[in-house]
Order: sequence, then C-alpha cells, then structure tokens
Amino acid sequence: DQQVKQNSPSLSVQEGRISILNCDYTNSMFDYFLWYKKYPAEGPTFLISISSIKDKNEDGRFTVFLNKSAKHLSLHIVPSQPGDSAVYFCAASGAGGTSYGKLTFGQGTILTVHP
Amino acid sequence: KAGVTQTPRYLIKTRGQQVTLSCSPISGHRSVSWYQQTPGQGLQFLFEYFSETQRNKGNFPGRFSGRQFSNSRSEMNVSTLELGDSALYLCASKRAGDSQETQYFGPGTRLLVL
Repeated sequence: DQQVKQNSPSLSVQEGRISILNCDYTNSMFDYFLWYKKYPAEGPTFLISISSIKDKNEDGRFTVFLNKSAKHLSLHIVPSQPGDSAVYFCAASGAGGTSYGKLTFGQGTILTVHP
Repeated sequence: KAGVTQTPRYLIKTRGQQVTLSCSPISGHRSVSWYQQTPGQGLQFLFEYFSETQRNKGNFPGRFSGRQFSNSRSEMNVSTLELGDSALYLCASKRAGDSQETQYFGPGTRLLVL
C-alpha cells in the first residue's frame, strides 16, 4: 500500500519558470512532511519541511504548500535553475509510537530544468 | 559541522556472504535510521535506533539487523546475502528522540551482490 504517492514520474521545465511538484498521501496520522532532492549515487539532501499545523512554508526559491483536507502537498521552485535538475522525493512521518525515525517516501519525480 | 558519514561507500559481495555497514551520525544526533533504496521499491525504511535501542523496524526479514553504540554510531548487518539485496543503503540521523525534526542523510553504501 503506497501511503505517499508522487504521480508524476518526471517534469520538464524551462529555466526561469516555476516548477511544481506534487505529492499525495493517504495516512491521516502523518503530521510532518519533507521534500528531499537526490542526485544519483548520493544520499537525499533535505530541502524544506512543513508541519501539519501549517499550510505554507517558504525558504528562498522553495515553497511547500500543504492541503490537509485533500491530503496533498506541493513543492514550488521559483525561478527554476538548471542546477535544480534532480530527483525530488516527498516524505512523511507520523506522531511518535510506531513511527519512530521512520520516513515514508514517495517514488520520486525527476525534474529537468532546461537552459 | 560534519555531515553523516557512511563506510564503505562501495562493496561487492557474493551470495551467501554477510556484510556490515557503518554509519556515523551528525554530532549531537542520537537517532539513526537506515533505509534501502532500489529501483523497483524506492526508499524503504529498515530500522531506527535511539540510545542504543531499536525503536522501530520496517518490513524486512531477520537477515537484516543493526545496532547502535554509546557514541550513537550505528552498524547494520545483512547475513546470507541474496542477489536482491543489491541496493544503495542509506542512513540518516536526527537530533532528538520523539519530535519530528528533519532527518539528514549520508551518501550511502552501494552494495552489489553477485
């Protein structure tokens, strides 16, 4: 059962435009969401996170939006740069208990930013 | 501040052998989690250690085990290796025990089982 889903395997964007990456989840116990960027043969690099008590968090060119009622979050990158080309993973964690230290990841979206 | 380090970075083993991977968390981080990444399954949670105790375990067979030392360094062991164990093994650390601070990942150990 895929509890975190990234339905778009890939996204292609022109440099300077906005990139929007989407993520859906099914487990209502998730209360913390993260986005990671990953290059091949490297570990994921943390980008930005959001707690379920918020609906938006911004950090420079990166903004994450959370819609709890729709169980949907999105990552906006503005403006997109060629160096942003990578695989982006959405991840979620729950509140304590059996969720200790566990992040549930989506399958990833390959973002390509063309110069 | 040094990041999460993992050793070795690359490893080649044959079926039936066993392997031990090491992870040193960011200084001050007491929680260490391990993940397996494969093309077909994506990133899958293996287990989490905090204060030398395993607090959580993913859906992997008993051939996968781990431990954590008093300095928070962690090792994971895979016994009786199978071809399907070929993967990138990642460890991640975070500061405290129960809150939802962000996990920071190491570069991973690429394991190839022949």
